[in-house]
This record gives sequence, C-alpha cells and structure tokens, in this order.
Amino acid sequence: SYELTQPPSVSVSPGQTANITCSGNYLTEKYAFWYQQKSGQSPVLVIFQDTKRPSKIPARFSGSNSGNTATLTIIGTQAMDEADYYCQAWDFTSVVFGGGTRLTVL
Amino acid sequence: QVQLVQSGSEVKKPGASVKVSCKASGYIFTNYYMHWVRQAPGKGLEWMGKINPSGGSTSFAQKFQGRLTLTRDTSTSTVHMEMSSLTSDDTAVYFCARDEGIAVAKHYFDNWGQGTQVSVSS
Repeated sequence: SYELTQPPSVSVSPGQTANITCSGNYLTEKYAFWYQQKSGQSPVLVIFQDTKRPSKIPARFSGSNSGNTATLTIIGTQAMDEADYYCQAWDFTSVVFGGGTRLTVL
Repeated sequence: QVQLVQSGSEVKKPGASVKVSCKASGYIFTNYYMHWVRQAPGKGLEWMGKINPSGGSTSFAQKFQGRLTLTRDTSTSTVHMEMSSLTSDDTAVYFCARDEGIAVAKHYFDNWGQGTQVSVSS
C-alpha cells in the first residue's frame, strides 16, 4: 500500500520559517494536500493541489512538490501555528495520510 | 455556508456495531462525495471510505472491507457510517469530510464534521 512519510516533529522560533516535508514514491506525479489540526479540533485544509491556498488561510502558508517530496512552508511562523500537520495524497484506490508532524513554536 | 453535523458520542462493547450520522447543509447534498476519516487517541488520520450521495456507490479502504457500511438518506441530506465487529482498536474519533469535487471526487476535504467519539470497551 502507498505510504507518505513525515518527520514526527519540527521546532521553529517565532518569526522564523518552518518547513515540513512529506515523501512518497511518485508523489510528484500526484497532488499533495496539507491539513492543520489543533488539539481537540477537526483538521483544516491549508494547502491543496500542491501549491494552492484556500482563501481563508494566511499567505504565510505555502506548498511545493518536487523530487517526490512535498513541502509545507510557513514563513514568519506565529505561536498560533503550533499544531499537527498532515500531508495527504490519492493513490487511485485510497486516500493516504502521512503520519503527521507536530510543529512546535518556541 | 457548508455545515456537517455529526451525531453524539458512543460507547460500545467488543463485538458490537456502531452507527454514526453526518447531516449536511448549505450545499446540494448529491453533488459532493462524502468521506469518513478516523483518528485513534494520540494517532494520525486514517481514511476509511467514501460514498457518492447521488447514486449511493461506495468505496472502502482495504482494511475496512466487509466491516464498514456507508449509506445516505437524500431526504434528510444525511450520511451514515456503520461499522461492525468492533474491537478496542476501533476506539477513535470518527470524522465525516466533504470531498471538494463537484460530481467527480477530487479526494481532498475543505469541510469536516466536528467528530464523533466512539469508545469500545468491555
């Protein structure tokens, strides 16, 4: 079955740039999606189709997908961005989520 | 605006079945696939399956084949998720999530229900 691999944790200082990666076989040939989930809440879509940002998501969130690695970038990270982040793809039979990355802003 | 409102928490014994509902509003119910995703305590998101509310066709993750049933009621714009033969490993929060594609699934989700806690314990 298809797998997406994320680092379990990433730490960043306030105002700095956070990069969260997601790797998978042939991921470049699929679309990658990213969700933010804060404790006790439902996930929120922050990036779709590799690079697009829903209108309600701040511009400091961006995405890329190349070399079979998708990357979620947060420029000027704020304390409110502390959350779990999940990448997701569709492998033609199943929706697949990465294991999640806990972003700590300290 | 799009709203997905799920039924309340459930406590079940091992071997039992559970049925969770997801009532949709704010859009044309039959135009968008609905998916179910679960999250065990302290764990990540796990996709379970999807239903086309228009015709009722379903597709499931292999792990849940034979144990998961998805149905829809177009008169009330509600999707139901029923899982049988529950074990403690099924203890999780269960989310419904609306696909973003119109008539054709795009397999990503910008609208989620609030989640339903299902606890399985003897």
